[in-house]
Amino acid sequence: DIQMTQSPSSLSASVGDRVTITCRASQSISTYLNWYQQKPGKAPKLLIYAASSFQSGVPSRFTGSGSGTDFTLTISSLQPEDFATYYCQQSYSTPYTFGQGTKLQIK
Amino acid sequence: EVQVLESGGGLVQPGGSLRLSCAASGFTFSSYAMSWVRQAPGKGLEWVSAISGSGGSTYYADSVKGRFTISRDNSKNTLYLQMNSQRAEDTALYYCAKATTTQIVLVTAFDYWGQGTLVTVSS
Repeated sequence: DIQMTQSPSSLSASVGDRVTITCRASQSISTYLNWYQQKPGKAPKLLIYAASSFQSGVPSRFTGSGSGTDFTLTISSLQPEDFATYYCQQSYSTPYTFGQGTKLQIK
Repeated sequence: EVQVLESGGGLVQPGGSLRLSCAASGFTFSSYAMSWVRQAPGKGLEWVSAISGSGGSTYYADSVKGRFTISRDNSKNTLYLQMNSQRAEDTALYYCAKATTTQIVLVTAFDYWGQGTLVTVSS
């Protein structure tokens, strides 16, 4: 199975900051990597698919990049509604696997 | 408006069985693969199972293979998860999610999720 490792596990930042979350796969997954946002008590929300494609309705301050084994999710200017937990997920092969999550907290 | 609504969760004893359902609306159900993803209390997301739009292909996590069965009734726009031989570690909120593709393929992502149904395995 492909293991997905996110870093950091948690992150404190301020409104307006630029934030980068990293996801590393245990083997090459080309660009078959998705990013989700989850707020407390809510279902996950798809932000980015295929490493860098925006899901409809997602603000342009969210960008995804990477290929092979290393990927990043960048939020260019944090807004209050962005404080949440973020997960990467590979869709290269089943069983699909998620990263352990990165909790983004207000500093 | 796309909606998926899970039901069927509850308390079950170790070794017991439970069947989850997911009612879908707002899209052509048979044209999209579907999946179950679970989240143990205070933990991260774990992909459980997926099924193609036709129901002809199914996929499972190693942790549930041989115990859980995913199925769908396209005439009723409903997805199911039959869970047998349940263990304490199956305790979680179970989400139903719509895939972006008909088959489970390389570019598959999950674009609509329900609010989840809670399964608790305990004596």
